[in-house]
Amino acid sequence: QITLKESGPTLVKPTQTLTLTCTFSGFSLSTSGVGVGWIRQPPGKALEWLALIYWDDDKRYSPSLKSRLTITKDTSKNQVVLTMTNMDPVDTATYYCAHSAVDTAMAPYYYYGMDVWGQGTTVTVSS
Amino acid sequence: DIQMTQSPSSLSASVGDRVTITCRASQSISSYLNWYQQKPGKAPKLLIYAASSLQSGVPSRFSGSGSGTDFTLTISSLQPEDFATYYCQQSYSTFTFGPGTKVDIK
Repeated sequence: QITLKESGPTLVKPTQTLTLTCTFSGFSLSTSGVGVGWIRQPPGKALEWLALIYWDDDKRYSPSLKSRLTITKDTSKNQVVLTMTNMDPVDTATYYCAHSAVDTAMAPYYYYGMDVWGQGTTVTVSS
Repeated sequence: DIQMTQSPSSLSASVGDRVTITCRASQSISSYLNWYQQKPGKAPKLLIYAASSLQSGVPSRFSGSGSGTDFTLTISSLQPEDFATYYCQQSYSTFTFGPGTKVDIK
C-alpha cells in the first residue's frame, strides 16, 4: 500500500524559505519509473503543479516558479524535499505530495498523472 | 508553456443526469491527459489517465475521451457522491492543471 505524508512549518514569514518534506512508504524512489511530485492549492482556488522528481534524479519544475523551487530526494529515508524561496502571502496554500510514474517501455516515455496523494499540509505566509 | 482550459467552470445537475466536462489544451498533448475529482477538504483523486483509461477502483460511470487538444470527461449517471470539483491535467510537458469544474446539486 502506497502512502505519502507531508510535513513542514505551518507558518512562514514573507521572504523566508519554505522547506517541506514528503515521507512515503510502499514504494522506492530507486525503482525505475517512479516519481514523487508536489502540488499546491490556495484557499478556494485551483490546483497548481509545482515540481516532480524521478527515480533517475530527473527533475521537472513549473516554468512560472522554477527560479524559486528546488526538489531533492533521499532514497535511503524514503523522503522528497521541496524548498521554495522568497515566500509571499500569495504562496499561502495547502501543499500536497503525490506518487507518479513514467512508462519507460514506451517511446517516447509516457508520463502518468498523480495516482496516490498525501493528505496535504497547510502553509500560511504572514508576518 | 501548455495552458489548460475547462468548460463549464461550474454546472448544476441532478442525480441520474449525464454530465460532460470539456478540457482543452493550448497545443497538442496527444493522450497525455488525466482527470481528477476533488471533494472539499480532501486531496484530489485520479479518475482517468491517458485520456481514456479508468484508474483502478473508479466506477465505470466515469469515462474519458479525446486526443490532441480536446478532451471530455463524462459521468453517465450522476450519483450523490459525484458532486465535487473536477480537474484535467496534462502530462505532455511538465504538468499543468486546468482551472476546474464544480459540479453541484440542482
